[in-house]
Amino acid sequence: RKEVEQDPGPFNVPEGATVAFNCTYSNSASQSFFWYRQDCRKEPKLLMSVYSSGNEDGRFTAQLNRASQYISLLIRDSKLSDSATYLCVGDSGGYQKVTFGIGTKLQVIP
Amino acid sequence: DAGVIQSPRHEVTEMGQEVTLRCKPISGHDYLFWYRQTMMRGLELLIYFNNNVPIDDSGMPEDRFSAKMPNASFSTLKIQPSEPRDSAVYFCASSLSRASTIYFGEGSWLTVV
Repeated sequence: RKEVEQDPGPFNVPEGATVAFNCTYSNSASQSFFWYRQDCRKEPKLLMSVYSSGNEDGRFTAQLNRASQYISLLIRDSKLSDSATYLCVGDSGGYQKVTFGIGTKLQVIP
Repeated sequence: DAGVIQSPRHEVTEMGQEVTLRCKPISGHDYLFWYRQTMMRGLELLIYFNNNVPIDDSGMPEDRFSAKMPNASFSTLKIQPSEPRDSAVYFCASSLSRASTIYFGEGSWLTVV
């Protein structure tokens, strides 16, 4: 079983829609979680960290559910510019070794 | 500010040839990572260094792959001999400390024919 799993999609949503991605992790000792964004043929870039209490950055909300071992990313009022692949990231339990999910591809349609 | 710098950006080589990928991390970052990305397997960690010392190379696929970090500002990933299945994007990345943001280079796009 992969340490971090996510649905590769693609998710095709209309502009203005709300879309949510989930990501499950297998290592219960994992402490740090992140969402990265990767545009086509570009490098991944940090979108936001995921805090235990949940956190929001504009239209983006990240949440962590330790009991069920998943993290989520919610995007409200989707923009065409949100079209990208969203990578879920978790650490290996305290060490600086993080595992990336395969990524969920989002396509926002006009 | 200069980010992580990788070279070459693109390389096409014949099977059996040696390939050397180079990376300059962000100055002051203590951690350096080499990742490989393919459509099928996603982003895989090959090896990472802390203060120039290899910490975990369990992701290196086989002995044909080797990585070095002779100093804080330079690292190489070498494939010898290369095979078509090594075709992928190889990313170098660095971070300031544990659990901090990982900054990626633009990647080296390798095609082995």
